[in-house]
Amino acid sequence: GQNIDQPTEMTATEGAIVQINCTYQTSGFNGLFWYQQHAGEAPTFLSYNVLDGLEEKGRFSSFLSRSKGYSYLLLKELQMKDSASYLCAVRAFTGGGNKLTFGTGTQLKVEL
Amino acid sequence: GAVVSQHPSWVICKSGTSVKIECRSLDFQATTMFWYRQFPKQSLMLMATSNEGSKATYEQGVEKDKFLINHASLTLSTLTVTSAHPEDSSFYICSAKLLRTSGRRDEQFFGPGTRLTVL
Repeated sequence: GQNIDQPTEMTATEGAIVQINCTYQTSGFNGLFWYQQHAGEAPTFLSYNVLDGLEEKGRFSSFLSRSKGYSYLLLKELQMKDSASYLCAVRAFTGGGNKLTFGTGTQLKVEL
Repeated sequence: GAVVSQHPSWVICKSGTSVKIECRSLDFQATTMFWYRQFPKQSLMLMATSNEGSKATYEQGVEKDKFLINHASLTLSTLTVTSAHPEDSSFYICSAKLLRTSGRRDEQFFGPGTRLTVL
């Protein structure tokens, strides 16, 4: 099976930088995704890592270390609209194909 | 591109009735669709994997006779919650897999979700 851990809640100030960590244990690792989810809505794709290193995309960056089973999502220049749940999801290859498993999500609250 | 729709967006039904939720890939063909359930303040839990033209694969603990899945075409999968009870009230989200030859291979695109409330 898979085990994905991320903090339950975080609070940050508008304009600041926040890092959301995710650790995982899995076999057949085949990529790690970060999604943003506002309450009552479906997840929207933010970033994807399959190789070690940093992927930058505007205000959002994501890092992966496969040997450590660790990833983080970095959000810069925080805006109030960034208040949402951030889901770490690990894709792993099983006998039946690729399967995406989600962490419990980190609820980020951006304050003035 | 890669848009997935769900219908209805919300539904309220009486206990004991059945509810059908549709998931459509609007601008691409999806041989594989996934059905997730999300309870309040919890993450998405995979219920089943739906493959076009074959039986769905259910995750452990999900009753296949209660949650009927039909993937009749490359753009449509349906989830029917049979004899719904209040504990089935949840947010049901589908996703469709887009096959890519490079980049985010086998990326999943999510529908907007269906809020089911069983009275």
